[in-house]
Amino acid sequence: DIVVTQSPVSLAVPLGERATINCKSSQSLLYSSNNKDYLAWYQQKPGQPPKVLIYWASTRESGVPDRFSGSGSGTDFSLTISSLQAEDVAVYFCQQYYSTPITFGQGTRLEIK
Amino acid sequence: QVQLQESGPGLVKPSETLSLTCTVSGASIFSSTAHWAWIRQHPGKGLEWIGSIYHDGSSHYSPSLTSRLNISVDTSKNQFSMRLTSVTAADTAVYYCARQKGSPWSPNWFDPWGLGTRVTVSS
Repeated sequence: DIVVTQSPVSLAVPLGERATINCKSSQSLLYSSNNKDYLAWYQQKPGQPPKVLIYWASTRESGVPDRFSGSGSGTDFSLTISSLQAEDVAVYFCQQYYSTPITFGQGTRLEIK
Repeated sequence: QVQLQESGPGLVKPSETLSLTCTVSGASIFSSTAHWAWIRQHPGKGLEWIGSIYHDGSSHYSPSLTSRLNISVDTSKNQFSMRLTSVTAADTAVYYCARQKGSPWSPNWFDPWGLGTRVTVSS
């Protein structure tokens, strides 16, 4: 199984500042035949299901604010919120879909400092 | 827009079978670019993929659940279902159904998700 490890477990950032969450996989998520990284990022607010923000490691889902961006390749990835807003308080998960079993990171809780 | 709705009992006794159904609206379960998945979230914990199925019945299951799990699709009702046998307290969780985008041979990310249904295993 591919193990996906997120860091930090929790993060507190002042409003308007940058927040970065990291995700590391136990093996490369880059598929050489199409040069795509099989990684997605989700946001989960309290009492709600997760919502996809980013897929293919860096493609923003339609309707997601452009302050959210994904980067990285291979085994190391990041989700960055360029200017934290109050509505961004949530738990963020990464997910690999390179191979089954599909696995998720353990989540990062993002709060306002 | 595409919506998914989970249904099933909120309370299941230990050793019994948990059965949940997901009703899909706004999209056809026959889609060639979608699989249909179950994911669960233990209280206060992370996300665990349970399994996924394509409209032709081909499926992938989590290795940790495969001996107890069956996922099926009912194309006539635009629904898919899961059955988990011999449940224990460790199966207490919020269960989500979701569309998993991707080709028939490459299921990818999950979007959208149902609202989730809380299942408690207790006598």
